Amino acid sequence: SQTIHQWPATLVQPVGSPLSLECTVEGTSNPNLYWYRQAAGRGLQLLFYSIGIDQISSEVPQNLSASRPQDRQFILSSKKLLLSDSGFYLCAWSGAERTEAFFGQGTRLTVV
Amino acid sequence: QKEVEQDPGPLSVPEGAIVSLNCTYSNSAFQYFMWYRQYSRKGPELLMYTYSSGNKEDGRFTAQVDKSSKYISLFIRDSQPSDSATYLCAMSWNTGFQKLVFGTGTRLLVSP
Repeated sequence: SQTIHQWPATLVQPVGSPLSLECTVEGTSNPNLYWYRQAAGRGLQLLFYSIGIDQISSEVPQNLSASRPQDRQFILSSKKLLLSDSGFYLCAWSGAERTEAFFGQGTRLTVV
Repeated sequence: QKEVEQDPGPLSVPEGAIVSLNCTYSNSAFQYFMWYRQYSRKGPELLMYTYSSGNKEDGRFTAQVDKSSKYISLFIRDSQPSDSATYLCAMSWNTGFQKLVFGTGTRLLVSP
């Protein structure tokens, strides 16, 4: 069966520090991968998506970047965090021929 | 107007009640509809996945799609305190790689 791992679960970082959140998927090949941010009462905002290695699309201009160095690995990064980067970050995957997405357990990021 | 509208709640019901959660949408091109359950500080979990109009049942859960009214529902029978969570609807135009459009979620509280 397929599983998705996302870490860390909780992170507190100072303003201006770098960020690296990692997500890996097991049990499937060539998944579509996604990074979402969820703000309270505002639903899920799609940040990045990837349909293949080194194929990254950004949905909104921001202080974040994403990379996919391997087929089942998706990384969310920032060189310098802003207070506004605080939030709940979710990684997700979907099958190449499917629509429904499956989510990781999320990372709660607090920038102080 | 948002593409997908969902009442944020909270919806409070006693244990054993039948719960009805709803979403309305504006884009008639949507064909695939999903319901996710999200516990506090966790990632969303896929509950139901349906295509086009009609009903789909899985245990205590029934998903209903009325494309003519652009309205989808999730019914929970014999609700339990463990059903207390936020329920998000999501939809897409086609299968394969798609960006899902999410509602903002309805918070459900089931009291013992």
